[in-house]
Amino acid sequence: EAGVAQSPRYKIIEKRQSVAFWCNPISGHATLYWYQQILGQGPKLLIQFQNNGVVDDSQLPKDRFSAERLKGVDSTLKIQPAKLEDSAVYLCASSKRPTSAGEQYFGPGTRLTVT
Amino acid sequence: EDKVVQSPLSLVVHEGDTVTLNCSYEVTNFRSLLWYKQEKKAPTFLFMLTSSGIEKKSGRLSSILDKKELFSILNITATQTGDSAIYLCAVGAYSGGGADGLTFGKGTHLIIQP
Repeated sequence: EAGVAQSPRYKIIEKRQSVAFWCNPISGHATLYWYQQILGQGPKLLIQFQNNGVVDDSQLPKDRFSAERLKGVDSTLKIQPAKLEDSAVYLCASSKRPTSAGEQYFGPGTRLTVT
Repeated sequence: EDKVVQSPLSLVVHEGDTVTLNCSYEVTNFRSLLWYKQEKKAPTFLFMLTSSGIEKKSGRLSSILDKKELFSILNITATQTGDSAIYLCAVGAYSGGGADGLTFGKGTHLIIQP
């Protein structure tokens, strides 16, 4: 079974530029999550999708971050404009709710550096 | 606000030693506690605990949850250099509307010296 796929793996941009990350979850997983992991911290949830609907985006900085999962499969997370403090690893995870009871599988992440 | 605190934040031991990693939590409507191992890439799932006092075991790793005292421990026996990683503890909660994102601690950075 293929794991969660993410691209790109690395991205360097200047502040005020825009950037987009892509995620393809494990086949059959209805729930998709985006997390932000700043160096030295644990992952922090940004947004959760159930199929193509948003379940929780309470911690998403909506003035600059947006995400979509139009067909209920892959997802895109965008930052526009980027700030220095957005430098982090962006992790995508998926789960096979409801039977997974919280178990989430993570992709390799995209490491973003904002200069 | 849900909170997860791990200790120690870093730990250096020699190969063959046994280590115990700690995780305490404060969460409304607790559902589960999960342990992940993170090397230079994606966190990989180790254990999920939902009931107190039931030890989960996988090879040299084991974990147990105490829902009364709100903590969990992860034990690694006969450590090997390949165990070097960041170990993340996360809690899941029952929330309205199906939201079940995890709240993570900062992690314990474990280094095993040969």
